[in-house]
Amino acid sequence: KAGVTQTPRYLIKTRGQQVTLSCSPISGHRSVSWYQQTPGQGLQFLFEYFSETQRNKGNFPGRFSGRQFSNSRSEMNVSTLELGDSALYLCASSQGTGSSYNEQFFGPGTRLTVL
Amino acid sequence: GDSVTQMEGPVTLSEEAFLTINCTYTATGYPSLFWYVQYPGEGLQLLLKATKADDKGSNKGFEATYRKETTSFHLEKGSVQVSDSAVYFCALSVEYNQGGKLIFGQGTELSVKP
Repeated sequence: KAGVTQTPRYLIKTRGQQVTLSCSPISGHRSVSWYQQTPGQGLQFLFEYFSETQRNKGNFPGRFSGRQFSNSRSEMNVSTLELGDSALYLCASSQGTGSSYNEQFFGPGTRLTVL
Repeated sequence: GDSVTQMEGPVTLSEEAFLTINCTYTATGYPSLFWYVQYPGEGLQLLLKATKADDKGSNKGFEATYRKETTSFHLEKGSVQVSDSAVYFCALSVEYNQGGKLIFGQGTELSVKP
């Protein structure tokens, strides 16, 4: 089974721009979660999508948004980029239901640099 | 709120030494507990998990036991190798309509010298 894939792997943007990151989950997984990883704040939960609906949300400003498509692929968008948005953005997929619903598998991440 | 605390790193060991990375948690409900590992330039890999009290998770020589009485989930390995050098994250997921949410500790960097 193919793992979680994320595109692009690296991005460089300037302040004020917006960016879209993409995540393809493991086949059969219906839940996709997004996390931000920074040296200062560590790993922080952004949001989770399940069957095209946002099921859970972390404590991030409205500039961070996401969506999920019918094939479970997910995108996250960050508008009006700030320097502090520079981070590794990780996507994780899981079945989303049943006894393994909270076992998540991570992609390699997208490294976003904001200049 | 829910939280995870790990011992601070970096931890530096010689090859074949015994490893312990401490992890304690605070949670409402009945959390599942995980250890993830991150190698340089990569995402997180699930190392092991435990879903209820007294469960022992194990994988690749690593072990951790879910101790509800001490709210701990310490990671151990009897004999580390250079290839174990990485950052290790302890995490919890609480079982109530938060299926997609993991709360992570700050990570512990392990460096194994030959």
